[in-house]
Amino acid sequence: GNSVTQMEGPVTLSEEAFLTINCTYTATGYPSLFWYVQYPGEGLQLLLKATKADDKGSNKGFEATYRKETTSFHLEKGSVQVSDSAVYFCALRGWDSSYKLIFGSGTRLLVRP
Amino acid sequence: DGGITQSPKYLFRKEGQNVTLSCEQNLNHDAMYWYRQDPGQGLRLIYYSQIVNDFQKGDIAEGYSVSREKKESFPLTVTSAQKNPTAFYLCASSISLAGRTDTQYFGPGTRLTVL
Repeated sequence: GNSVTQMEGPVTLSEEAFLTINCTYTATGYPSLFWYVQYPGEGLQLLLKATKADDKGSNKGFEATYRKETTSFHLEKGSVQVSDSAVYFCALRGWDSSYKLIFGSGTRLLVRP
Repeated sequence: DGGITQSPKYLFRKEGQNVTLSCEQNLNHDAMYWYRQDPGQGLRLIYYSQIVNDFQKGDIAEGYSVSREKKESFPLTVTSAQKNPTAFYLCASSISLAGRTDTQYFGPGTRLTVL
């Protein structure tokens, strides 16, 4: 079945450092891929998405490229800020008629001044 | 502003009680969902609905019930049969159920604690 694997956290960085959060997936066909962000005590907000191979999603300085050959959708940001501290979830929605979003377990990011 | 509202933000339940969590959306979305989030874990699907008066069980429906009497409302009842209900509950909606590229939008969540 479909699944998503994220790197374990927490990830601790200094302000202005480069961020990579790895996400790989298992799915048949051409799933849609999403990154969501969750700030403490809040719901999930869509950060970016990509719906076909080689698409790049981007938002607020974050980017992720849909790599079908490596089944990956790694999240990157060139210069993180303290305000980026949150939990980041990678998710996929299957190519089949499945209604479900399949989530990874989340990666906590802590950015220090 | 369009969006999803959930209430209450915090809810405390005594053993043996049923409680109902509210979810309302004004996005004119057909599909709505309920997820459960436990610490350090991803989200798990409880129930979903693609249209008024229709809903289906997700992966962890035991001990929960829902209704969909209006398009904009999808309340979740946590019954006394749910053995471990303490969790963060998130409601979501999307334009349709079947749209593979459709984004699911989430509410702010309700934190339920069993005393």
